[in-house]
Amino acid sequence: KNEVEQSPQNLTAQEGEFITINCSYSVGISALHWLQQHPGGGIVSLFMLSSGKKKHGRLIATINIQEKHSSLHITASHPRDSAVYICAVPFFGGATNKLIFGTGTLLAVQP
Amino acid sequence: ETGVTQTPRHLVMGMTNKKSLKCEQHLGHNAMYWYKQSAKKPLELMFVYSLEERVENNSVPSRFSPECPNSSHLFLHLHTLQPEDSALYLCASSQGQGGTYEQYFGPGTRLTVT
Repeated sequence: KNEVEQSPQNLTAQEGEFITINCSYSVGISALHWLQQHPGGGIVSLFMLSSGKKKHGRLIATINIQEKHSSLHITASHPRDSAVYICAVPFFGGATNKLIFGTGTLLAVQP
Repeated sequence: ETGVTQTPRHLVMGMTNKKSLKCEQHLGHNAMYWYKQSAKKPLELMFVYSLEERVENNSVPSRFSPECPNSSHLFLHLHTLQPEDSALYLCASSQGQGGTYEQYFGPGTRLTVT
């Protein structure tokens, strides 16, 4: 069982729709990351949050530490939002702490 | 542009070849990482360098050999690879080492082993 689970795995939306992607994790964390990966492969960090909510443009990320759950919302979705969205949490084990990644949610926004 | 560059972007190599992947960060960060991303699988951490010292080797086969000559450059030397090593290899950097720092990723090298 993955320590970081995302849902849905695939999501197709029409332009303008409100989108929610969910992330649940089983390990204790100090922060959670949301990342975006475009078809070319490059990954961009969207948010790092440890409590409450963060907003950047049309993107909103929330986290509930007690429930070990985070959501990424996209308002007024646009075809350029089409990408894979990945959540990741720090895991403290071995020599260092490192990020454990979910398998990602593939989002396609159709015009 | 994230401030992290990788070369080459694509690489095809035979199982007996030796090649190297290069990563360079222009952000003044202290930590650098190599990740492997295979189809349908989460990113997997391979190596971590902090202040040019390797601090994590995540059970990676010896056919992968990292090198960090200074805090701005990171290499991954490849030799006698297997077809299952075909994947996207991503480099990242962060100001401090560990999962509580924001990581900046390069565009990746798409590796195909024939």
